[in-house]
Amino acid sequence: EIVLTQSPATLSLSPGERATLSCRASQSVSSYLAWYQQKPGQAPRLLIYDASNRATGIPARFSGSGSGTDFTLTISSLEPEDFAVYYCQQRSNWPPKTFGQGTRLEIK
Amino acid sequence: EVQLVESGGGVVQPGGSLRLSCAASGFTFDDYAMHWVRQAPGKGLEWVSLISGDGGSTYYADSVKGRFTISRDNSKNSLYLQMNSLRTEDTALYYCAKDMGDGYNYLDYWGQGTLVTVSS
Repeated sequence: EIVLTQSPATLSLSPGERATLSCRASQSVSSYLAWYQQKPGQAPRLLIYDASNRATGIPARFSGSGSGTDFTLTISSLEPEDFAVYYCQQRSNWPPKTFGQGTRLEIK
Repeated sequence: EVQLVESGGGVVQPGGSLRLSCAASGFTFDDYAMHWVRQAPGKGLEWVSLISGDGGSTYYADSVKGRFTISRDNSKNSLYLQMNSLRTEDTALYYCAKDMGDGYNYLDYWGQGTLVTVSS
C-alpha cells in the first residue's frame, strides 16, 4: 500500500503570502496525484488532478507540481477563503485510493 | 448542476446494520464510477468503496471488506452502501462522491455527507 505523507501538519501564514504544501509518496505514483481543499463543515473540493491540472472553476492562484514521489501544492497569494485543510490523494495504486493525513493552513 | 444528496445515517449499536443512500442528479449517472469516502470526527479522509458505472466492478478498503456492500441503481440515479456488523470505529461522516470518469479515481463532486454513529 502506498502511504502519502503531508508536510507540514500545520502552516501559519497571512493573507497575501505564498503557501507551499508538500505531499510525499512512499513509492512512485507517477503523476497520479490530486489535491483537495476542505473547509470546516463542508465537503472536500477537488483542486488539482494529475499533479498539475486545475479542476473546473479553481482559481489560477492554485497550482500543483511534481511527479514520482514528491509533490507540491502552491497558493501564490493567500485569500481569506483559502484557510482550510488540504489533502493529497493518489490513484496510481488502486484499490485503495489513499489520502494523505492533511495539512491545516491557518491564519497567522 | 451536479448534486449528490446522502441519507440513511443514524445511531446504531455495535453489530448492527445500516443502509446509506445517495441520490444523484445533474449528470449522466451510469457514465461515472461512484465512491464512498468517510471521515471520523476530527480526523482525515478515508476512502471506503468504489463501484463502476455499470455496477459490474466493486472495490473496498480492507477495513470494511466483507462487512460493507456498495451497489447502484442506474434507473433511479442512486448509490447505496449496505453496512453490516458495524463497529465503533465505523463512526464517521459518510460522503458520496462522483468519479471524474468511469474509474478515473479522482473525486470531482461530493455530497454533504450523512453521519453514522455506532455506539451502545
